[in-house]
Amino acid sequence: NAGVTQTPKFQVLKTGQSMTLQCAQDMNHEYMSWYRQDPGMGLRLIHYSVGAGITDQGEVPNGYNVSRSTTEDFPLRLLSAAPSQTSVYFCASSYSNREYETQYFGPGTRLLVL
Amino acid sequence: KQEVTQIPAALSVPEGENLVLNCSFTDSAIYNLQWFRQDPGKGLTSLLLIQSSQREQTSGRLNASLDKSSGRSTLYIAASQPGDSATYLCAVRSSNTGKLIFGQGTTLQVKP
Repeated sequence: NAGVTQTPKFQVLKTGQSMTLQCAQDMNHEYMSWYRQDPGMGLRLIHYSVGAGITDQGEVPNGYNVSRSTTEDFPLRLLSAAPSQTSVYFCASSYSNREYETQYFGPGTRLLVL
Repeated sequence: KQEVTQIPAALSVPEGENLVLNCSFTDSAIYNLQWFRQDPGKGLTSLLLIQSSQREQTSGRLNASLDKSSGRSTLYIAASQPGDSATYLCAVRSSNTGKLIFGQGTTLQVKP
């Protein structure tokens, strides 16, 4: 298994540009999520999905869109990039039942918005 | 609103020391608490998960405890090694929202 993969690893954007951060997992997990990590602030949830066709907002959803057309893929779209969106973005997938939970994180995408 | 706090933000110890990292949370309505490790420029790796009904979990030199009533968890690392140098994050799964809420992390440096 490749686990959780993210592309690109690094991206520079100009203010106002749009882009899509790709995330894919090959573990057949229903639950996928996007986080951003900023210095001193831990990880904050942007959007999440509990299965194909179902998405919901996290703590900091403004400026981002997601879709989940397949179980494997969960892309994050920046509609009009702003300097405040400079961050490291992590995608995660997880499996859980009443007694067990496991989380897998991708390697991250570093985004710089000028 | 659930808030997770980790103290200290950074810690430097000599090799071989036993150490404790602290995590506190404001809302005891949790499914579980997890400890993660993050190496520089990398993603997160799950270390230990404690269900809300459990008191502790152990994996090798790592032991995590949970006191849900007081909103505290500790990660104990025995006989620290330079390879333990990383950032350690705790996170709680809220039983109200189902969301995973992270602390800010503790950056550990173990000096040879």
